[in-house]
Amino acid sequence: GENVEQHPSTLSVQEGDSAVIKCTYSDSASNYFPWYKQELGKRPQLIIDIRSNVGEKKDQRIAVTLNKTAKHFSLHITETQPEDSAVYFCAASDNTGTASKLTFGTGTRLQVTL
Amino acid sequence: EPEVTQTPSHQVTQMGQEVILRCVPISNHLYFYWYRQILGQKVEFLVSFYNNEISEKSEIFDDQFSVERPDGSNFTLKIRSTKLEDSAMYFCASSARVPYNEQFFGPGTRLTVL
Repeated sequence: GENVEQHPSTLSVQEGDSAVIKCTYSDSASNYFPWYKQELGKRPQLIIDIRSNVGEKKDQRIAVTLNKTAKHFSLHITETQPEDSAVYFCAASDNTGTASKLTFGTGTRLQVTL
Repeated sequence: EPEVTQTPSHQVTQMGQEVILRCVPISNHLYFYWYRQILGQKVEFLVSFYNNEISEKSEIFDDQFSVERPDGSNFTLKIRSTKLEDSAMYFCASSARVPYNEQFFGPGTRLTVL
């Protein structure tokens, strides 16, 4: 089955700096890669996703890149703000079968300091 | 904006007791999921459900677990005889379509087994 590795486990940046979180996946059949933000005690919230036919996607301060050959994808947050502090999870799905599951990475705790 | 809802928010039970966790997916969604998250760990897939039957289940989803869609709005997860290691946050999620299924998560039920 799919295995998703995520690094780093913790990341501390100063406000205004950029943050990069990296994930690798094992199953070449995976073709959908969402990123979720989870604040303490809250639900995971989808913040951006990318499909395997796209190499990069951007939404304001957030961007995701995908390298299918290397089986890795990354989340980039620019101009970080204190409200970006949360745990970020990457995930992968192969979208086969009737209802495709998400396989999550182990999470990155991002701390944005003033 | 429609959201997935879950009840109760917190359930405390004694080992060996049965619990039912309830979810109301987003109304026009057709694909339903249960995930769990042990404190401080990643989100893990339990089961997916479509067209009134299980699509896929993980190794965690053993005979002690069952899911049901008893009516047109609710989606339930039952644990027949809870164990200490079942203590976790249980998230329901729903999706309108596959492939490239954007899954939206509920707020979770924190299950504590004593």
